[in-house]
Amino acid sequence: QTVVTQEPSLSVSPGGTVTLTCGLRSGSVSTNYYPSWYQQTPGQTPRTLIYNTNTRSSGVPDRFSGSILGDKAALTITGAQADDESGYYCVLYLGSGISVFGGGTKLTVL
Amino acid sequence: EVQLVESGGGLVQPGGSLRLSCEASGFTIRRYWMHWVRQAPGKGLVWVSRSNSDGSSTTYADSVKGRFTMSRDNAKNTLYLQMSSLRAEDTAVYYCVRDDMRAFDIWGQGTMITVSS
Repeated sequence: QTVVTQEPSLSVSPGGTVTLTCGLRSGSVSTNYYPSWYQQTPGQTPRTLIYNTNTRSSGVPDRFSGSILGDKAALTITGAQADDESGYYCVLYLGSGISVFGGGTKLTVL
Repeated sequence: EVQLVESGGGLVQPGGSLRLSCEASGFTIRRYWMHWVRQAPGKGLVWVSRSNSDGSSTTYADSVKGRFTMSRDNAKNTLYLQMSSLRAEDTAVYYCVRDDMRAFDIWGQGTMITVSS
């Protein structure tokens, strides 16, 4: 069973920069996995941030960016704001119609 | 307005069955892959199943394979998830999600399933 890994928790100072990663327990993430990123605050429906590695969804501020860093997909938040404190999930498309979510990263802004 | 509205959630006993529906509006589902994603209380998002645009192909997470069946009625612009042999670990909010080129771009508000005696 394919396991997608994310940092369970991260923290960033207001105005700072933080990078969240999305990896595979076995193997490297590439653009072929169409990595995408979602933000979810408690009690809310997930919001699409980034898809196809680095394309921002409509209305998403440009302080959010996606990339491949080494063997992982990455979500970088530049100039973090208080309302960025949230849960962040990545999804990888494995092919043959199968997608897998990472376990999520709880981001604290303090 | 583009939206997805799930229905059919509720309380069901272990071993029971339930069918979820997801009605789309503002777009036609026949153009899109569609997914079900679930989230247990206090836990992360988990992909459950996918249907291709014409419904000819469906795929499932190992945890639900053989117990859940995803289907669609493109004429009614509605997606379904038939769930059987339900277990306590199936307790979750179930989201219907649109897939636009592998972006999960439109999410329903979710419907809660509780499996308990």
